[in-house]
Amino acid sequence: GAGVSQSPSNKVTEKGKDVELRCDPISGHTALYWYRQSLGQGLEFLIYFQGNSAPDKSGLPSDRFSAERTGGSVSTLTIQRTQQEDSAVYLCASSYYKPNTDTQYFGPGTRLTVL
Amino acid sequence: AQSVSQHNHHVILSEAASLELGCNYSYGGTVNLFWYVQYPGQHLQLLLKYFSGDPLVKGIKGFEAEFIKSKFSFNLRKPSVQWSDTAEYFCAVKKRVTGGSQGNLIFGKGTKLSVKP
Repeated sequence: GAGVSQSPSNKVTEKGKDVELRCDPISGHTALYWYRQSLGQGLEFLIYFQGNSAPDKSGLPSDRFSAERTGGSVSTLTIQRTQQEDSAVYLCASSYYKPNTDTQYFGPGTRLTVL
Repeated sequence: AQSVSQHNHHVILSEAASLELGCNYSYGGTVNLFWYVQYPGQHLQLLLKYFSGDPLVKGIKGFEAEFIKSKFSFNLRKPSVQWSDTAEYFCAVKKRVTGGSQGNLIFGKGTKLSVKP
C-alpha cells in the first residue's frame, strides 16, 4: 500500500517568509509525528498527534512553529517568519495505534532551505 | 533527559567484513528499541525492532541486534557486509509508559557506513 507522503519535497524560501509543509500518513494510522533532521543535530522530535489532538508539543523549538491535523489524516506543519536555522529536512512519520508496540513509518521528508 | 549514543560517526569496511554498530541509551525504565536505515537518496526505513522477549532480534537483509538490558545497549550486527549496505544507520529508543500512550522516538545521531567493493 501507499506509504507516508510529504509535500513539497523541496522548499526554498527567503528569511522572514512563512512556509507550510504537508504530510499524508498511511491510511488507517491514527498517530502522526513530525521530526526535524539537520546537520549536527540528528533527528529531533517536534510534535505528535493522536487523532486530531496533539498530546505532546514539547519538541517545537519556538512559537514560530505550529502544526495541525484535520480529519485524523493530513497534517500541516507551519513555520512563520522563517530563519536560516530552520533549514533542515522535516520528516513525518505515522503509526497504527498499538500502545507500547507501535512502529513508526517515515515519509521521504521535505528539505527546507531558508536563504 | 533521555539520550541515545551511537559511538561511531563513520565506519568504513570492505565487503565481507563483519559489522557491529554500537548503541547505548540512558533511560532507566522499560523501552522499545529500533534500528532504522537511510540509504543514499532514500527515506528512513525500519531495519529491526525489539519490544520484548528474545533479546536477539533479526531484521531485514541479514541484520540482527542484541538487547543487553544491564548495559543499556542495543548493538547492530551483520556477519558479512555488502556494498549495498552503504547507508546511514540510526538507533532509536521509545519509552514504554503505563496507560499505553504513544510517544516519540529518541534518535541517536547516526552512523554512516561506507562499504568498499
